[in-house]
Amino acid sequence: GQSLEQPSEVTAVEGAIVQINCTYQTSGFYGLSWYQQHDGGAPTFLSYNALDGLEETGRFSSFLSRSDSYGYLLLQELQMKDSASYFCAVRVEGGSTLGRLYFGRGTQLTVWP
Amino acid sequence: NAGVTQTPKFRVLKTGQSMTLLCAQDMNHEYMYWYRQDPGMGLRLIHYSVGEGTTAKGEVPDGYNVSRLKKQNFLLGLESAAPSQTSVYFCASSYLTGTSGRAGEQFFGPGTRLTVL
Repeated sequence: GQSLEQPSEVTAVEGAIVQINCTYQTSGFYGLSWYQQHDGGAPTFLSYNALDGLEETGRFSSFLSRSDSYGYLLLQELQMKDSASYFCAVRVEGGSTLGRLYFGRGTQLTVWP
Repeated sequence: NAGVTQTPKFRVLKTGQSMTLLCAQDMNHEYMYWYRQDPGMGLRLIHYSVGEGTTAKGEVPDGYNVSRLKKQNFLLGLESAAPSQTSVYFCASSYLTGTSGRAGEQFFGPGTRLTVL
């Protein structure tokens, strides 16, 4: 089976840096994605790591260590609008899974002024 | 482009009633998915499709059926609704394969909020 662990809640103040960790146990691992979801909204794609290392996209960065089955999402220069839920998701391949994603339970980020 | 659209946005059913949720995408994506989202549970895959005329079961398929008669549409049916199916339902779509940094990207619709009494 597949399992992902991420903290349920994280809080930080505007302008700060926050890191949301994700550990996974999976077979057929292909890559790790991150999604953002505001209350009442749809999940939106943030980043994807297939190889070890850091991917940077503006204020957001994502890291992957395949040997440690671990990744994180780093949010810099936090803004109030970053308050949302963040989901990690593993992409798996092989057999009947055909590129599907398995999602973690999500981390609720609250940014305080 | 509208992206991924879902119909209806809200619905209230009584136990035992049936309904169909419609998902449409205009991005010519091969893959389409139906998820349900419950508080504290993240997104769980119900059924998915890798192309027109094909469907497959996800993690929580019981009580649901799907059809993909046209590439752009993916229908989710509840034959006999139960209170346990009260949830927010999201449809998503993605490209067939991906070798770039967006291989793990799925495009989500706005969701359908379903209550079963």
